[in-house]
Amino acid sequence: GESVGLHLPTLSVQEGDNSIINCAYSNSASDYFIWYKQESGKGPQFIIDIRSNMDKRQGQRVTVLLNKTVKHLSLQIAATQPGDSAVYFCADLDTGRRALTFGSGTRLQVQP
Amino acid sequence: DSGVTQTPKHLITATGQRVTLRCSPRSGDLSVYWYQQSLDQGLQFLIQYYNGEERAKGNILERFSAQQFPDLHSELNLSSLELGDSALYFCASSVSSARPSTDTQYFGPGTRLTVL
Repeated sequence: GESVGLHLPTLSVQEGDNSIINCAYSNSASDYFIWYKQESGKGPQFIIDIRSNMDKRQGQRVTVLLNKTVKHLSLQIAATQPGDSAVYFCADLDTGRRALTFGSGTRLQVQP
Repeated sequence: DSGVTQTPKHLITATGQRVTLRCSPRSGDLSVYWYQQSLDQGLQFLIQYYNGEERAKGNILERFSAQQFPDLHSELNLSSLELGDSALYFCASSVSSARPSTDTQYFGPGTRLTVL
């Protein structure tokens, strides 16, 4: 598959460790946030979302934290597995602006 | 498999040419979105259609156009191609009837366009 973003920041973790991927957004009017996972050669895949009236949301092995004060979003992956290796994008939606804005992405590499 | 299909998977063409990318949304989804993913620009929203009508426009060049047909498949037309148009082009679909909403967008596998 093709690589997306040769200059992406990379997070390398050991299998079984927890991973934390961070994202900063700039639009203070954004009210909905999403994390996507993109594996090599595939399209982005929805992982988890959070609305601006929440500061934490949990899914299966994933947790998203939102800090609106500093416009920061994080994705925590528990017990990281080799299948989690991918590029992770955050996206924010300002419903007034009518479109998702994607961050530049972070490459997660899981070492066995 | 997201249920969104895109053809072709790869496309190689020359500068100045015109190409058409095709997308079939998931069954039941009425909205189709087009995105461009390049190395230096990341994932950029281009345009959204809902049930045949344009709903939202992003950073889409005038050389690019799209449409959604009655059977809900969509085509993205890229003309007067330049080297800088080389990128991955993704289609996504959602149930949403509104401008980009909080309905989950399901992405297709993409079309890789190379302009030589």
